[in-house]
Amino acid sequence: DTAVSQTPKYLVTQMGNDKSIKCEQNLGHDTMYWYKQDSKKFLKIMFSYNNKELIINETVPNRFSPKSPDKAHLNLHINSLELGDSAVYFCASSRSSLAASLGTQYFGPGTRLTVL
Amino acid sequence: SQQGEEDPQALSIQEGENATMNCSYKTSINNLQWYRQNSGRGLVHLILIRSNEREKHSGRLRVTLDTSKKSSSLLITASRAADTASYFCATVLSNSGYALNFGKGTSLLVTP
Repeated sequence: DTAVSQTPKYLVTQMGNDKSIKCEQNLGHDTMYWYKQDSKKFLKIMFSYNNKELIINETVPNRFSPKSPDKAHLNLHINSLELGDSAVYFCASSRSSLAASLGTQYFGPGTRLTVL
Repeated sequence: SQQGEEDPQALSIQEGENATMNCSYKTSINNLQWYRQNSGRGLVHLILIRSNEREKHSGRLRVTLDTSKKSSSLLITASRAADTASYFCATVLSNSGYALNFGKGTSLLVTP
């Protein structure tokens, strides 16, 4: 069983389009995250979300928005895609309590987004 | 800002040799974690060391932590070709919902 899954694995699209990446976790975690990994493998947090709070990295453009239909899903919507959005996007999850999780996260396989 | 800085950026060794990667960080931490990323895959948690620990072992992995120097090292003993991957250290960001701040990673190549 895949703990954290993402779809699609690859996404190729034109500039200006709107796209979504889906993420699901079956670990019973109540905190989920989106990270962006650039071409130099630099990983940066975009969003942290649990059922109480959304925390947005201030550097993330408002064209990006997370949507959570339920505790097991956190989808990433991107409007008006730009060339610079090309990257690998990773979803992750953890328990919400630092004492319980110690911050350990479980990652999805990633979605490679290419904007042409 | 990037919390951790790994060193070296790339490391190439032969099977059976030991691989050592270092990580430095800037702020106080609750714990420090190491993750592995195989090519084209997601990150996998390897080991966590708490701020009050100095050394921890897990199989062929040995992690040390020096909070006075704000640094950690990951040692992989008797490396195998399957250890070829990128290795990242990570610390928990404050006021971020426990998001992780990753270092730039060390790319390890183990040749047979």
